[in-house]
Amino acid sequence: EAQVTQNPRYLITVTGKKLTVTCSQNMNHEYMSWYRQDPGLGLRQIYYSMNVEVTDKGDVPEGYKVSRKEKRNFPLILESPSPNQTSLYFCASSGTFLAGELFFGEGSRLTVL
Amino acid sequence: AQRVTQPEKLLSVFKGAPVELKCNYSYSGSPELFWYVQYSRQRLQLLLRHISRESIKGFTADLNKGETSFHLKKPFAQEEDSAMYYCAVKAGGYNKLIFGAGTRLAVHP
Repeated sequence: EAQVTQNPRYLITVTGKKLTVTCSQNMNHEYMSWYRQDPGLGLRQIYYSMNVEVTDKGDVPEGYKVSRKEKRNFPLILESPSPNQTSLYFCASSGTFLAGELFFGEGSRLTVL
Repeated sequence: AQRVTQPEKLLSVFKGAPVELKCNYSYSGSPELFWYVQYSRQRLQLLLRHISRESIKGFTADLNKGETSFHLKKPFAQEEDSAMYYCAVKAGGYNKLIFGAGTRLAVHP
């Protein structure tokens, strides 16, 4: 089944403990992106990647890192998580992004204590 | 800066009633507008895009450049339309979709 897979789906951690949220797509998509969703704010883009080894900041990149070493994977790294990074995170991918259609993962709910 | 505004957090209607979910955007160029939907326990997915001028599940949306709006409409709401709806804009030359805060549509029997 063609899809975007995120792990973990739920995570509770403590301030400062590094964590990685993985994202993998099996549709051979070039474009991948991370969003965070917060009440009243909708989805805000954290980082995106147009292709392998090409990444760029979105609107809210502070406190996050990404890498795109392979086409299918786009992990989101929180080096030193803080409580303001408690959120619902979505990974998405698109064939070329020209058409603007994104395929989303199921989301990862992260709580930082 | 590009911005998408969805003024209603919640829209509650009865089955069979008309529905209009409002979306206003701010962008000076020629944007591409989209509606995404998230049904309960499902992934966020594309509902429709303005360039296609299509009707999906009975929903339509017309881009009004004069009012910078892209409202989503359906003449007769169904219970299965209950979901979270997000309006999004893709600004030319920018590699991202900018989403509104979303409107929850609740259709009651």
